[in-house]
Amino acid sequence: ETGVTQTPRHLVMGMTNKKSLKCEQHLGHNAMYWYKQSAKKPLELMFVYNFKEQTENNSVPSRFSPECPNSSHLFLHLHTLQPEDSALYLCASSHGLAESSDTQYFGPGTRLTVL
Amino acid sequence: QKEVEQNSGPLSVPEGAIASLNCTYSDRGSQSFFWYRQYSGKSPELIMFIYSNGDKEDGRFTAQLNKASQYVSLLIRDSQPSDSATYLCAVTPAGANNLFFGTGTRLTVIP
Repeated sequence: ETGVTQTPRHLVMGMTNKKSLKCEQHLGHNAMYWYKQSAKKPLELMFVYNFKEQTENNSVPSRFSPECPNSSHLFLHLHTLQPEDSALYLCASSHGLAESSDTQYFGPGTRLTVL
Repeated sequence: QKEVEQNSGPLSVPEGAIASLNCTYSDRGSQSFFWYRQYSGKSPELIMFIYSNGDKEDGRFTAQLNKASQYVSLLIRDSQPSDSATYLCAVTPAGANNLFFGTGTRLTVIP
């Protein structure tokens, strides 16, 4: 176990639904990340939070809305998604951003299917 | 454009052989380099990181970095069937706080 948990592990939703993904890290880290992993594509960084403040939004559509209430929890709120948004959504955390060498540790991911 | 390139494979090696995985990157100022292993249906897990030119060994794994040629490789000695997975190369470019990933190389170790 990496100390990063994600729920739910699997999610099927319709295009009109609203759902949320949850990530929690138990490593005492200050930075948290959302990634999208689609088949045959590199991991795509979506959002970065450092000390609860968003430091990166990688041109993600507004139908994805992140929330970071504290350094241990990260949410991704989903609404009016498209079938092409079906992917594995991975959360990661690292000690910080100050050093570019900070290792990121990943959660198990949420497999999302949009019908 | 910050790119990380990997041969998608599949790369097949017999059990006990050395598996060699390669990665090239486009940003010459990149500073940190990581190898992650991802089993099918699972999340990536860190194997090694390397910052300096040369070799870094950890058990059966050796990471090699050549900044002049902009490549980083991972050697797996005495390959085992349990090493069968997709190996992701990740790079932190100059001035960036984030990782850029390659598409991964799928390795199959044949018993």
